[in-house]
Amino acid sequence: QSALTQPRSVSGSPGQSVTMSCTGTSSDVGGNNYVSWYQHQPGKAPKFMIYDVTKRPSGVPDRFSGSKSGNTASLTISGLQAEDEADYYCCSYVGSNTWVFGGGTKLTVL
Amino acid sequence: EVQLLESGGGLVQPGGSLRLSCAASGFTFSRCVMRWVRQAPGKGLEWVSTISDSGDSTYFAESVKGRFTISRDNSKNTLYLQMNSLRAEDTAIYYCTKAEPGVYGFHIWGQGTMVTVSS
Repeated sequence: QSALTQPRSVSGSPGQSVTMSCTGTSSDVGGNNYVSWYQHQPGKAPKFMIYDVTKRPSGVPDRFSGSKSGNTASLTISGLQAEDEADYYCCSYVGSNTWVFGGGTKLTVL
Repeated sequence: EVQLLESGGGLVQPGGSLRLSCAASGFTFSRCVMRWVRQAPGKGLEWVSTISDSGDSTYFAESVKGRFTISRDNSKNTLYLQMNSLRAEDTAIYYCTKAEPGVYGFHIWGQGTMVTVSS
């Protein structure tokens, strides 16, 4: 199972919106609605941000939203804040209790 | 407060073994599926293994199948990862994660423990 493809980096200014992609195949991203996203800041534990493509766990600001089209999922952060600077990872359930992550996207807030 | 605290990481020679532990608190451990995820230096996250709430079912990534074993002691609220025949490519931070029933994802993460495989 190959890792999902994410851009290495994206950037935006405070207040702007950024979108990052996560491309897989019909066997993972395109084959179910179990895509999740994680925020990982240096020295901290990764944080669960989005699940089932579009749902937010309790406590995650509604500035974070997810979507999917075909084999590509996306995470959009609106009203960008300095505290959003982090690495973001997508993940897809593959089936048979197996999972695949993306390589991660580094978000820089300018 | 839900907490996961990993321990047991360290430096080990290629071919060696190591056992990681994850002490859980703040939730009913015996009712939760648990998983291990790792991150090699400069790389992305990689799912490693899953164990059912009872411990009866286990699953592994192809990269570790046959070398790693996952287990749990529900009486001690502790998750384990036994790693044998370690290779340089197993060098990574290993995270213990908790699943939320009915939710497809990795809900809560520990801080991780570093494993370095090197001679």
